[in-house]
Amino acid sequence: QVHLVESGGGVVQPGRSLRLSCAASGFTFSNYGIHWVRQSPGKGLEWVAVISNDGNNKYYADSVKGRFTISRDNSKNTVYLQMNSLRAEDTAVYYCVREGSGRVFDCWGQGTLVTVSS
Amino acid sequence: ETVMTQSPATLSVSPGERATLSCRASQSVRSNLAWYQQKPGQAPRLLIYGASTRATGIPARFSGSGSETEFTLTISSLQSEDFAVYYCHQYNNWPPWTFGQGTKVEI
Repeated sequence: QVHLVESGGGVVQPGRSLRLSCAASGFTFSNYGIHWVRQSPGKGLEWVAVISNDGNNKYYADSVKGRFTISRDNSKNTVYLQMNSLRAEDTAVYYCVREGSGRVFDCWGQGTLVTVSS
Repeated sequence: ETVMTQSPATLSVSPGERATLSCRASQSVRSNLAWYQQKPGQAPRLLIYGASTRATGIPARFSGSGSETEFTLTISSLQSEDFAVYYCHQYNNWPPWTFGQGTKVEI
């Protein structure tokens, strides 16, 4: 069974950093791109970043470009999101999402909450 | 960026009734359109991809249609477990991948 489990969320002050992890199981991790999608409290879904299956291609939303870095370790079946210079508007539940065949977002983790507050 | 616009924002429906949700793209996304269901406190769940293909395990009362810029999600006979927020998502023109703002289906 496909599983994605996020961790690393918490409360952090503005300007500080946080690293999220997404641990995958139940599928051949190195064959799939992985996205991060976030959802601010009571709001809709916002795509954040993606990394290709081999880690060679990465894209970011304009709202996080230059502050967030996505990476992966295929030996550990894990994707990371390093978040620097955090702002109040980065407060959200962060989901990691598998990009399945046909580029469909076919499997979502349960999410991890990041709260940026002084 | 391809902007996705969903309507209505809220849809009030009685159990057993039909629900029709709309999604419009600001430019063609061909058939690269998905629908997700999200219940409070849960992650989104894939319902429909390729505009009209039901994901594994999704009941037949859910159907999707449309192409290019106009799409529809229909729930033929609402069950109690269908009351949720529904999002459309385009994965044709990227980056960025974009979502609609959601339609809340309420009793």
